[in-house]
Amino acid sequence: GQQVMQIPQYQHVQEGEDFTTYCNSSTTLSNIQWYKQRPGGHPVFLIQLVKSGEVKKQKRLTFQFGEAKKNSSLHITATQTTDVGTYFCAFGAGGFKTIFGAGTRLFVKA
Amino acid sequence: EPEVTQTPSHQVTQMGQEVILRCVPISNHLYFYWYRQILGQKVEFLVSFYNNEISEKSEIFDDQFSVERPDGSNFTLKIRSTKLEDSAMYFCASSGVWGGEEHNEQFFGPGTRLTVL
Repeated sequence: GQQVMQIPQYQHVQEGEDFTTYCNSSTTLSNIQWYKQRPGGHPVFLIQLVKSGEVKKQKRLTFQFGEAKKNSSLHITATQTTDVGTYFCAFGAGGFKTIFGAGTRLFVKA
Repeated sequence: EPEVTQTPSHQVTQMGQEVILRCVPISNHLYFYWYRQILGQKVEFLVSFYNNEISEKSEIFDDQFSVERPDGSNFTLKIRSTKLEDSAMYFCASSGVWGGEEHNEQFFGPGTRLTVL
């Protein structure tokens, strides 16, 4: 079935460094969502992108949806220790089915 | 702020036993979901529920699983005969309001950790 690949699997950064995670699909996606899961917590919705080439910003977070709607990225500028967690991309796979990527786990060293 | 609640937070059961996991979605939401997450792994879709019936289910959601919305507030996941590999965190989620555009913004509950011995 449809799936998305997320890279990298893990990322260690020094506080203040930037971080990017990528989400790639072999097929065109109708939408892409991003979630954050803190260690021991539950997924929290961050954003949804639906348009080709769409870029959205939330403070230090920038989300992009590729022109072909097959890839997406989440970029965090100047990471903080509060950014620690796993970032998942997800997409609507028809009806009300949502498929999650494997996630990128971010570690931030103070 | 409204939130999804789940009970119990941790359930320990013997293999072969039935378990019922309970969720109270956000009150005006229309779409309800169950996911599972094996420790350290990705979130896996199990089932979505709308208008009192299942709208989508994954290959994981076999005959051992069932969902129910017995009243106007609760949403339950039943596993009839648990297996060791059912051990995971189970998340309930809800989304969507009448007239809204974004049913995909899902609000997750804190999860129930199921341990099958």
